[in-house]
Amino acid sequence: GAVVSQHPSWVICKSGTSVKIECRSLDFQATTMFWYRQFPKQSLMLMATSNEGSKATYEQGVEKDKFLINHASLTLSTLTVTSAHPEDSSFYICSARETSGRLTDTQYFGPGTRLTVL
Amino acid sequence: KQEVTQIPAALSVPEGENLVLNCSFTDSAIYNLQWFRQDPGKGLTSLLLIQSSQREQTSGRLNASLDKSSGRSTLYIAASQPGDSATYLCAVAYSGNTPLVFGKGTRLSVIA
Repeated sequence: GAVVSQHPSWVICKSGTSVKIECRSLDFQATTMFWYRQFPKQSLMLMATSNEGSKATYEQGVEKDKFLINHASLTLSTLTVTSAHPEDSSFYICSARETSGRLTDTQYFGPGTRLTVL
Repeated sequence: KQEVTQIPAALSVPEGENLVLNCSFTDSAIYNLQWFRQDPGKGLTSLLLIQSSQREQTSGRLNASLDKSSGRSTLYIAASQPGDSATYLCAVAYSGNTPLVFGKGTRLSVIA
């Protein structure tokens, strides 16, 4: 099946620093990738839709200047948490949908990145 | 607003029992519905995907049904095992290009 990777798998940083999370589709191309956030014992909530070659679309309540998304190629989207604070500590998961339709019509999820801001 | 609700929020059963997890969605115009498993601190494992035109899917001891008109899906787990202990998430897609809408999950504990 299709594989989506995320890097890093976990990160601990000091308050005020910026953290970049990568989401890669390893064996397929993805025009669209989605970024979700999951707080402890909560479900996944969509943060933004990342579109290759264009600006991301953010969900209501998600600050676009704080969560910078770049989808520069058909296999890579990055989420940068700028000036991270403890309340940004969460589990960040990306998903990707294969563009050409070669694969089954589903979204493939990365393994997630656990961010802890001290 | 499109919402997905899962009942119960938590469930504890003895090993060997058959069990049913429930999922309901407010907007029945779905594209497909997916059941995932999530272990603590881990990512998602896709279990079953049901297209809107299908009524059920089976994989091993798992069977998922879909009743689109009533906005419901169930995940049936036969002969539960301690290794089945995890959180089970139901998620709905409203088109092939849109993100999934997730329920809050059912946290399952299977006691040996």
